[in-house]
Amino acid sequence: QKEVEQNSGPLSVPEGAIASLNCTYSDRVSQSFFWYRQYSGKSPELIMSIYSNGDKEDGRFTAQLNKASQYVSLLIRDSQPSDSATYLCAVNNDKIIFGKGTRLHILP
Amino acid sequence: SQTIHQWPATLVQPVGSPLSLECTVEGTSNPNLYWYRQAAGRGLQLLFYSVGIGQISSEVPQNLSASRPQDRQFILSSKKLLLSDSGFYLCAWSAAIFNEKLFFGSGTQLSVL
Repeated sequence: QKEVEQNSGPLSVPEGAIASLNCTYSDRVSQSFFWYRQYSGKSPELIMSIYSNGDKEDGRFTAQLNKASQYVSLLIRDSQPSDSATYLCAVNNDKIIFGKGTRLHILP
Repeated sequence: SQTIHQWPATLVQPVGSPLSLECTVEGTSNPNLYWYRQAAGRGLQLLFYSVGIGQISSEVPQNLSASRPQDRQFILSSKKLLLSDSGFYLCAWSAAIFNEKLFFGSGTQLSVL
């Protein structure tokens, strides 16, 4: 059974701090990795994709991938109240598998 | 640019009634299309995907079905809804089958009573 695991949270982070979201996956041959943000009652929105080991930065977001440890993370710098949402990790090999998401709450 | 339309936004249906949800994509040709369901407290569950007109793959056996009558149109149906069919239904498209980013429609919140 291919799985993607995330801590459900909620993860509470003070405004302006760094939020760190983690995800592990079970299938070693996974090729592509994605982070989606989902506000309550809304559809998921793609915010980051990463395909090779290391870090990928886009504005306040940094995705980190470690294929040896089967681990992908998302860092959000200078957290804002608008970052409060559920963050879904998705992993692709032959199918895209989603984690159940981590609820992030930014404290003003 | 590509856009994906999904309707209706909310739906309340009695048990045993039929269902039809529609999704259309604009601005791209031959998209790969997907139907997902997100139940309360659960992750996104892939229900169906399609790589072309009339080509439907089912991931979860259930009382739902899908059809793709046109290149950019994807329909989710049921003849008789169950209570367990309640959830947030999401249509999505990608440029390449499972190996590219997914873009989601706005979703349909279905409540079966």
